[in-house]
Amino acid sequence: RKEVEQDPGPFNVPEGATVAFNCTYSNSASQSFFWYRQDCRKEPKLLMSVYSSGNEDGRFTAQLNRASQYISLLIRDSKLSDSATYLCVVNLFPNTDKLIFGTGTRLQVFP
Amino acid sequence: DGGITQSPKYLFRKEGQNVTLSCEQNLNHDAMYWYRQDPGQGLRLIYYSQIVNDFQKGDIAEGYSVSREKKESFPLTVTSAQKNPTAFYLCASSIGRGPYQETQYFGPGTRLLVL
Repeated sequence: RKEVEQDPGPFNVPEGATVAFNCTYSNSASQSFFWYRQDCRKEPKLLMSVYSSGNEDGRFTAQLNRASQYISLLIRDSKLSDSATYLCVVNLFPNTDKLIFGTGTRLQVFP
Repeated sequence: DGGITQSPKYLFRKEGQNVTLSCEQNLNHDAMYWYRQDPGQGLRLIYYSQIVNDFQKGDIAEGYSVSREKKESFPLTVTSAQKNPTAFYLCASSIGRGPYQETQYFGPGTRLLVL
């Protein structure tokens, strides 16, 4: 089983739609969780950290479910500019400083 | 402007040649990392460094070498021993060890192609 698993997509949605991505992780000792965004042929950029109580940043909402070992990202009112690959990232700190990256879920928003 | 710079943007390697990828940061971060990204795969860690003059192997260190002589610089050498070097190479940095301090920030990357 992969350490971090994501549905590769692509998710094709119209502008204004709500879309949700899930990500599962295998190590129950995982401590920190993130969503990164990567545009085509560019570097990943931090979108948001994921906190135990869930957190929201504008149109983006992240949730963590430790019991089921998954995190989710909800995007409301999708914009064309949201088209990108979304990477789920997990850290096992304090056991390691390494981040484990999922392979990403591709989102394509169309007019 | 604070950030991470990588050079060159594109690099071509001939068979049997060693090449060095540059990574510089002015964020005053202690930790620096090198990743490799191949199509359809997640980022894989090559080497990382928590402090000057110290570094550790990541998951795919074979065929690569690094140095960390200065806090702001972490160059990666792709040696001739790396048989499949064509990939997108990403350098990252973070403040350092500790919960919520490990958020990593990436440079723009270097694309390495083999001639």
